[in-house]
Parts: sequence; C-alpha cells; structure tokens
Amino acid sequence: EAQVTQNPRYLITVTGKKLTVTCSQNMNHEYMSWYRQDPGLGLRQIYYSMNVEVTDKGDVPEGYKVSRKEKRNFPLILESPSPNQTSLYFCASSSLGLADTYNEQFFGPGTRLTVL
Amino acid sequence: SQQGEEDPQALSIQEGENATMNCSYKTSINNLQWYRQNSGRGLVHLILIRSNEREKHSGRLRVTLDTSKKSSSLLITASRAADTASYFCATPNQAGTALIFGKGTTLSVSS
Repeated sequence: EAQVTQNPRYLITVTGKKLTVTCSQNMNHEYMSWYRQDPGLGLRQIYYSMNVEVTDKGDVPEGYKVSRKEKRNFPLILESPSPNQTSLYFCASSSLGLADTYNEQFFGPGTRLTVL
Repeated sequence: SQQGEEDPQALSIQEGENATMNCSYKTSINNLQWYRQNSGRGLVHLILIRSNEREKHSGRLRVTLDTSKKSSSLLITASRAADTASYFCATPNQAGTALIFGKGTTLSVSS
C-alpha cells in the first residue's frame, strides 16, 4: 500500500531533550516536506527536500533540522525542543515539484508533540 | 503566507443535505487541491483540479474552479455523518516547493 509513515505518533518530552521524528514513504517520491499545524495558524511548512541530499527551509525552520540521506526517509530533528514547538507535525511526499499541473501531495498520519 | 482562504469557517448541516465550501486564492496557479482532515488526524487528498479545468467530479464531490475570480468551491452532495471533518483548499506556491493551505472549513453533519 502506498503510504507515508511517521513515528512516533504521539510524544511528550521535556525542554531541551533532543528528539527525532521519522518519516518514510514507499512511493519513490523525490519531493518530501514537513509541516506543522497549529490552531489559528493552519499548516505551515518547516523544511522541504526536492531530492536526496537537497533540503531547504520553508516558512518556519527555526529550531528544526532535517536530513535526506536516502530517497525514502526524511527525519525531522529537534536539537533542543522548546514549548513553542508543541504542535501537530505532518510529513508529506510528492512525485514531482508541486507546481506540476497533475501533482498531489500525500500526507503521513501526523505526530502530536508536546514539549513541557 | 496565506494563499487559500476558505469560507465559511464553520458549517453545520443535517444528513442528506448538500454542503458547499468556498476557497479564494491570491496568485496564479497550476492546480488547486482539496483535502479533508478528521479531528486531529492526517490530511486526506480529495481532489485536484487543474487550472485549465472548470469542474471536476469524484463520487459525491464536485469541485469548480474560476481562475478569473481566483476562487474554487467544493460541493458535497447527500452528506453523511462520516463527512464531518475539516476541509482545506491548497495551492502550490510560485516556486512549487510548498502547498499553501487555507485555514479550513469545519463541517459538522448531524444525523
């Protein structure tokens, strides 16, 4: 089944404790992205990757790191989490750049992160 | 930056009624997409309409696109309780590196 998976689905942690949220897709997609969703602010892009070893900042990259060593994986790293990073996080993938006329984006199930 | 804006913010209807949600956007687009999100869960892609299309159907969903008015509408016919969710429109940014989402319409269908 074509899908984007994320782990963990739920995480409660404390300020400053490094964590990684994994994302994996089995559709051989070049493009992958991380979004966060907050009440009243909607979905905002954190980082994206157009292909292996190619990553770039989205709208809200501060406090996050990513890597793209393999095509299927795109982990999100919080080196020193803070309470303002409490949010619902989504990983997404797509076969081509999103400006392509035919392209849709596939989303993972989300990771609900609470930083105390 | 906000691209799509949905209207209304919230909609409550009875089962069997039709639900219409509208989306406005600001810049030229190649496509516009609609997604559904059940409470606190993942986003599910519903339908994509290309800029050269005016109307598209998928089951009980009907999407229209008016590029001259920079607007789109999503119609759900014969709604069911299971349609209760938030609905978002999204368009690619100019660089094609992100989807820009509106803040969504929360649909509540009561039986």
